[in-house]
Formats: sequence, C-alpha cells, structure tokens
Amino acid sequence: QKEVEQDPGPLSVPEGAIVSLNCTYSNSAFQYFMWYRQYSRKGPELLMYTYSSGNKEDGRFTAQVDKSSKYISLFIRDSQPSDSATYLCAMKAQGGSEKLVFGKGTKLTVNP
Amino acid sequence: EAQVTQNPRYLITVTGKKLTVTCSQNMNHEYMSWYRQDPGLGLRQIYYSMNVEVTDKGDVPEGYKVSRKEKRNFPLILESPSPNQTSLYFCASRAGANYGYTFGSGTRLTVV
Repeated sequence: QKEVEQDPGPLSVPEGAIVSLNCTYSNSAFQYFMWYRQYSRKGPELLMYTYSSGNKEDGRFTAQVDKSSKYISLFIRDSQPSDSATYLCAMKAQGGSEKLVFGKGTKLTVNP
Repeated sequence: EAQVTQNPRYLITVTGKKLTVTCSQNMNHEYMSWYRQDPGLGLRQIYYSMNVEVTDKGDVPEGYKVSRKEKRNFPLILESPSPNQTSLYFCASRAGANYGYTFGSGTRLTVV
C-alpha cells in the first residue's frame, strides 16, 4: 500500500462549482498536512497547512483532516477558471525528520 | 521579494559530465530540500537540510550530493549524471516546523 494515494483525475467542473479533492494515507505518524497548487511549468505553491485533525478555512479554500479515517480533503468554493491547475497533497510525520511525502496530484480544469 | 531561486532553469548535458544546480533563498529559512518530479511518479524528495552542515537523505538520494555550508544556499550536485536523472528538479525552503515549503521555479534537466 502506498503511503499517500491521490486520484489523478483529470477532474473537469463548470465555473462556480464546489470542488472536492482528496487524499488517503497509510502512515499513522503523519501529523502535518499540506495542499499545494501547481500551474503548468511552475513550482508548487502552498495553499493550506494544517496540523493534526480538524478544519482550516482560507477564503474559498477549506482543508479538512480526518486522522481516524486517514483521509484529507481540500474544498474549493465558487471555483474559477484560474483555479485550473494540479493539486498536490503532502504529509509529514512529527519529529526530527524532514521527510515530506507527496501525493501524485489531481489535475483540475474549471470551465468558463 | 521573498523567493527561492534556482539556476539554471534549463540544462542539457551529456552522461558523466559533473554538474551543479544552485539554489538560494532570501528568507533566512532553516530548512531546505530538493525534489524531483517525474510523470506518473509525482514529487519525490532527494535530500533535505535542517540547518547549516546538517543534511539527510530523502527517498531517492542515489546519484546526488548536496552541501549546506551557508544558510541561504543548498546546491544539488550530480557527480556523474545518467539519463535516468533526466527530470524536473525543485528546490524548496521553509522557516520551521509550523510552516509549509516555498518552492523555486524548477530546473528542467536532460541527460543525453
């Protein structure tokens, strides 16, 4: 079983839709959870950073972590064509190691 | 502007010819890391550094070297590049345990 699983999509939605992106993981030591957005030919850009379980909201973006189910989600409200990108989840265990494990990314297209 | 700067952006080289990809950050970040991104495999961590003179292996360190002699710089060295090291490389840095990584714009390396 891979440490982090993410559906690669592609996912295509109309403008204004609510988008749900998800990752599952197997390593119960993961405590830090991140979502990155990557436009074509660009470096990943940090969207959300959460520690342990719970929700975090930032504008149109909401990140949820359910450690009991080993499942994290990113919701995008009122999606815009500018949200079209690949979304990557990433996770890290607590402690001294800086090992960061990424999902393979979900490609999202928001159609005008 | 706060940023992670990688050079070069594009590089074509021949098998066995030593090369260095430079990475510099102007945010006084403690942690720095190198990743490679390949289709179907996602982002994989090569090496990371938690401070000056402190480095450790990520998931795919074979064929790479790093050094952290100054806080701002974290070069990636390929002593004898091979075609399987053809990839898109990203350098990233972060301030500390409660922060996500800021990525550079990437270096596309082709080894022929």
